[in-house]
Amino acid sequence: QKEVEQDPGPLSVPEGAIVSLNCTYSNSAFQYFMWYRQYSRKGPELLMYTYSSGNKEDGRFTAQVDKSSKYISLFIRDSQPSDSATYLCAMSARLGSARQLTFGSGTQLTVLP
Amino acid sequence: NAGVTQTPKFQVLKTGQSMTLQCAQDMNHNSMYWYRQDPGMGLRLIYYSASEGTTDKGEVPNGYNVSRLNKREFSLRLESAAPSQTSVYFCASSEVRATEAFFGQGTRLTVV
Repeated sequence: QKEVEQDPGPLSVPEGAIVSLNCTYSNSAFQYFMWYRQYSRKGPELLMYTYSSGNKEDGRFTAQVDKSSKYISLFIRDSQPSDSATYLCAMSARLGSARQLTFGSGTQLTVLP
Repeated sequence: NAGVTQTPKFQVLKTGQSMTLQCAQDMNHNSMYWYRQDPGMGLRLIYYSASEGTTDKGEVPNGYNVSRLNKREFSLRLESAAPSQTSVYFCASSEVRATEAFFGQGTRLTVV
């Protein structure tokens, strides 16, 4: 069983829809919870991160963490065609003096005009 | 404003050939990482270097070696390439205890 499970999609929605992306995890040592966005043929870029359970909002994006259920979500409001990308959840734990990121497999999102 | 630069961007190798993937960062980060990305598998850590002079194995190190040449540069070497190493390779860097990792554009490697 993978430490981080993410529905790979693909997910296709009309412009303006609310998008919900989810990941579950099994390792209680994870401390930070992140969402990366990856456009086609590009490297991942950090979209948002949270440290504790609860919600964090940034513009049209809301990240939600439920540590008791080991479940994280990313909500995108008023989705735009420019949001079309692969979204990767990632979780961070200490790895010696560095941080290890464990990634989900990614959900491919297409927002149709 | 380069960030993390990887070379080459594309490469085709024959089975058994060797090659080195280069990575350089200009953000003065201490930690650097090599990941591979395969369909349905997400990003998996190959090797990492927490700071200059140290390297450690990640989740999938077999068939690879790394060198942390200096604070800026971290290279990944395939000594004898195999078709199973066909993948997209990403280099990343971060501060030692930072949350955010910055990724390069990737190297698309095909082993035939």
